[in-house]
Amino acid sequence: GAVVSQHPSRVICKSGTSVKIECRSLDFQATTMFWYRQFPKKSLMLMATSNEGSKATYEQGVEKDKFLINHASLTLSTLTVTSAHPEDSSFYICSCFLGGTQYFGPGTRLTVL
Amino acid sequence: AQTVTQSQPEMSVQEAETVTLSCTYDTSENNYYLFWYKQPPSRQMILVIRQEAYKQQNATENRFSVNFQKAAKSFSLKISDSQLGDTAMYFCAFMSTSGTYKYIFGTGTRLKVLA
Repeated sequence: GAVVSQHPSRVICKSGTSVKIECRSLDFQATTMFWYRQFPKKSLMLMATSNEGSKATYEQGVEKDKFLINHASLTLSTLTVTSAHPEDSSFYICSCFLGGTQYFGPGTRLTVL
Repeated sequence: AQTVTQSQPEMSVQEAETVTLSCTYDTSENNYYLFWYKQPPSRQMILVIRQEAYKQQNATENRFSVNFQKAAKSFSLKISDSQLGDTAMYFCAFMSTSGTYKYIFGTGTRLKVLA
């Protein structure tokens, strides 16, 4: 139980384009989901908290206009990186909250050329 | 503000031996959860073990057990009979039960199990 998927697992895009990453809870409903960014050999950095049916709450320093989060259903949250630049290249991980625990997706590696 | 400290950036252990990873945290709250997650080279975050602060009994999951010392704010992970598949980054995390369900992560300990 508590399986979380992310799609795509890898994406390469050109600078200036937008990329959408999906996070799905497969066998449960998640009112709250989280989006993280992870640099190589570093810990996870929380970007935002996504709540179903309401606006996401962004952490300090995260550009909400660049990283658009939508949580339109209890099983799906999306992160759209708009006008991507090479410095947005990173590993993005989502998690879904259930019963006092966060369950993580497998991550998405974004490379911006 | 809560903080989580993992003071061992890297550790190694021989296969079949026991290793202990340390984690300390700081909080003024009384009710909270503590977690250990494993991140193998695939980078999938896997829940290893969870401890509720109100429980005095240390959590165990097969070869994994914790030593939870609430007064000392210490939460160490013991891995018994280490296996090559235990090679991974291990993160300690704190979550308050009053609020946003956000995790505070430690910086991680890279564990290598040697054959």
